[in-house]
Amino acid sequence: AQKITQTQPGMFVQEKEAVTLDCTYDTSDPSYGLFWYKQPSSGEMIFLIYQGSYDQQNATEGRYSLNFQKARKSANLVISASQLGDSAMYFCAMREGWGDDKIIFGKGTRLHILP
Amino acid sequence: DAGVTQSPTHLIKTRGQHVTLRCSPISGHKSVSWYQQVLGQGPQFIFQYYEKEERGRGNFPDRFSARQFPNYSSELNVNALLLGDSALYLCASSLWQGASEAFFGQGTRLTVV
Repeated sequence: AQKITQTQPGMFVQEKEAVTLDCTYDTSDPSYGLFWYKQPSSGEMIFLIYQGSYDQQNATEGRYSLNFQKARKSANLVISASQLGDSAMYFCAMREGWGDDKIIFGKGTRLHILP
Repeated sequence: DAGVTQSPTHLIKTRGQHVTLRCSPISGHKSVSWYQQVLGQGPQFIFQYYEKEERGRGNFPDRFSARQFPNYSSELNVNALLLGDSALYLCASSLWQGASEAFFGQGTRLTVV
């Protein structure tokens, strides 16, 4: 079974609109962390936001927020007021437990912002 | 402060050759991880080193090896290259194992011909 599922291979959104990128995860470990990364065509993986499994509040970083619904095992990324520079590949990822720093990535969602 | 730096940025090798990729973590970061990203997929975990010890290994053949140096920089070595090893190799660094932030370098794009 996939650990991280991103069901939207691609999305087209009008500039200045809000965007929600879906992510569900699967783990039996009570301690885990969830990440979102942005990967432009240049290839660099840019860290956006992190949510720990014990965090009570949803994580926010500027225009990015993580809608964490633990019971549903959902960790959607919300980008407010999208910009042309937001066009990129977005990866949801998870680290389980504290044994190592292995991060498991989803297959990604390609986001296109339209002017 | 400099981010995670990787070298070289691009590399072309022939099947059967050996390659060494290098990574310098963010200053003060002690955990370094390596990932392979083939075209169209998410990155796959290869190794993690913390305080110069291997702490995690992904499902990769023994042709892949790595090490971490006293200054926390790291090398990834791949022997007997195959065409399927062509990928973007990414290095990530964290302050400590299990930290809430993991920062990636720009990657080394390896092409095996």
